[in-house]
Amino acid sequence: DIVMTQSPDSLAVSLGERATINCKSSQSVLSSSNNKNYLAWYQQKPGQPPKLLIYWASTRESGVPDRFSGSGSGTDFTLTISSLQAEDVAVYYCHQYYSTPQSFGQGTKLEIK
Amino acid sequence: EVQLVESGGDMVQPGGSLRLSCAASGFTFRNYALSWVRQVPGKGLEWVSTISGSDATTYYTDSVKGRFTISRDNSKNTLYLQMNSLRAEDTAIYYCAKPRLSTTRVDSFDIWGQGTMVTVSS
Repeated sequence: DIVMTQSPDSLAVSLGERATINCKSSQSVLSSSNNKNYLAWYQQKPGQPPKLLIYWASTRESGVPDRFSGSGSGTDFTLTISSLQAEDVAVYYCHQYYSTPQSFGQGTKLEIK
Repeated sequence: EVQLVESGGDMVQPGGSLRLSCAASGFTFRNYALSWVRQVPGKGLEWVSTISGSDATTYYTDSVKGRFTISRDNSKNTLYLQMNSLRAEDTAIYYCAKPRLSTTRVDSFDIWGQGTMVTVSS
């Protein structure tokens, strides 16, 4: 089974500053057949279900602000929020869908400093 | 509008059973694999089970194998999760989730329901 580990567990960033969340998988999630990383990022606010932000490690979902970006390949991935807004306060999860069982990171809580 | 609405969550005693439902609308239900993902309140997300759209092949996380059964009724656009021999550790919010693409079960989840709470306690 693939284990997903996020860092840090929590993060406080000032409004307008950059926020960076890391995700490491215990095995590569890069497919050699299509050269795609089977890695997604979600945002979850209190009392709401997760919302898809990024898929294929770096493709932004329709309607997601361009301040959100994803990068990385293989086993190491990053979610970056270029300029933190108040509405970005949430818990963020990475998700590998490369193999069954699918698995999620433990979550990173993002707050305003 | 694409929508998933879960129901059936309740409080049940250890060893009991419960059936969750997820009513879908706004997309061609039979074409999509669908999944259940659970979350202990205040904790992380855990994939539970997936059923393919084409041939209804099923997949489970190890901790629920032999106890939970995922199924679907394409005529009713509804996904189910039959949960037997429930344990305290099954206590969670249960979400149904839809993949972005209809052609594969191996995909990120672009649509989630609001979730239904299952509490296993004596």
